[in-house]
Amino acid sequence: GQNIDQPTEMTATEGAIVQINCTYQTSGFNGLFWYQQHAGEAPTFLSYNVLDGLEEKGRFSSFLSRSKGYSYLLLKELQMKDSASYLCAVRDHSGGYNKLIFGAGTRLAVHP
Amino acid sequence: DAGVIQSPRHEVTEMGQEVTLRCKPISGHDYLFWYRQTMMRGLELLIYFNNNVPIDDSGMPEDRFSAKMPNASFSTLKIQPSEPRDSAVYFCASRNYTGELFFGEGSRLTVL
Repeated sequence: GQNIDQPTEMTATEGAIVQINCTYQTSGFNGLFWYQQHAGEAPTFLSYNVLDGLEEKGRFSSFLSRSKGYSYLLLKELQMKDSASYLCAVRDHSGGYNKLIFGAGTRLAVHP
Repeated sequence: DAGVIQSPRHEVTEMGQEVTLRCKPISGHDYLFWYRQTMMRGLELLIYFNNNVPIDDSGMPEDRFSAKMPNASFSTLKIQPSEPRDSAVYFCASRNYTGELFFGEGSRLTVL
């Protein structure tokens, strides 16, 4: 089976840096995704890691350690519009097909 | 380029009624996923299709739920009979060759 853990809520100040952690256990790991979801909207893709290391994309970076079953999403120069839920998702390949399993999400509140 | 299109956006129905949710994936995407999102359980994978064939329906909660994909451009998720605990936002998503999921805007279902 799969198990994905991430903090339920976080708060941060505008302009600061925040790191959202995700740990996972899965039998057929084939990549890790981060999605952003604003209230009342659909999730949208942020980043993808399949190899160990850091992937940087503008103000957002994502890190993966496959041996530790660990990832984090780093958000720099926080803006008010970054207030949203951040979903960690693991792509599982057991059974021969890829499916994406989501964690419960971390609600981030950015305040002035 | 149109994204994933879902209908209806909102549905309010009474317990026992049949509910049909519809999805048109992005053209050229060969995977289609149905997810359900609630505050308590987060984003749960219900079923997914590859080239119109159901691959894994282990997430479908009960026999009251069924899904079909008669062709590459259309899928339905049906609940019959509906119950109040089925109230949730139902997302359809399709996937491109990179593995990134593109979500529709969701169908918010309320069963009274």
